[in-house]
Amino acid sequence: SQQGEEDPQALSIQEGENATMNCSYKTSINNLQWYRQNSGRGLVHLILIRSNEREKHSGRLRVTLDTSKKSSSLLITASRAADTASYFCATDPSTTSGTYKYIFGTGTRLKVLA
Amino acid sequence: DAGVTQSPTHLIKTRGQQVTLRCSPISGHKSVSWYQQVLGQGPQFIFQYYEKEERGRGNFPDRFSARQFPNYSSELNVNALLLGDSALYLCASSIQGYGELFFGEGSRLTVL
Repeated sequence: SQQGEEDPQALSIQEGENATMNCSYKTSINNLQWYRQNSGRGLVHLILIRSNEREKHSGRLRVTLDTSKKSSSLLITASRAADTASYFCATDPSTTSGTYKYIFGTGTRLKVLA
Repeated sequence: DAGVTQSPTHLIKTRGQQVTLRCSPISGHKSVSWYQQVLGQGPQFIFQYYEKEERGRGNFPDRFSARQFPNYSSELNVNALLLGDSALYLCASSIQGYGELFFGEGSRLTVL
C-alpha cells in the first residue's frame, strides 16, 4: 500500500514559475526523500531530509518537513522545461526490524511549459 | 563509474510463464532492493537484500522470489505470471540499505 500521498496529482506551470508539491504520510519516519522520474524511466534521488530537520535546500530545491502534521513539501524555484517529470516522496518508516522499506507516494506529474 | 544496470530492459511473457530479472548494483554497494511500479502509481517495495541476506519483503505473493549473489548482483524471479504482474520492475542499490537509493532504468514486463 502507498504510505505517501502527493498533492496535486498533476501540475502545469510556465517556465520560470515556482512549483510546489506536497506529500502526506501516515506513520512516524526516520527520513523522507524526494525522487524524480522521467517518463517511465528509473528514479533519480533529489534530496533527503531527516526527521529531526525542518528544512533543507539543494540548488533550486527546497524541502520542508512537518512531522507533527506528517507532511512535506518540495519547492522547485525558477522551473525549466527540463524539470518536466513525475516527483515522488519516499518515506523510511521508523522500525527496529533492520529493513529499510521505502514507501513511495502516488506522485505528482509536473509539466513545465516553455 | 557504471550505475545500476538491469536486464532485460523489455520483455513480453504470457500468463503462467516464469520470468527472471537481473540487477547489478553500483560497485561498493552491498544492498539491493526491488520495486514494482504499475503504470500511473508509485513504486511498491518487493524485497531488500543486504550482504546476501533477505532483510525485508513487501506484500507480494510467494510467486515472487529473489536472491543476492556473492558479487552483490541480484535476481528477481516471478512464477506463474498473471496479467496484473505487468509493470516496470526497478532495482535500487545503496551502500548499506538506508539513505539514498540509486535506481536502474528498470525492466518493463508485459504479460499477455
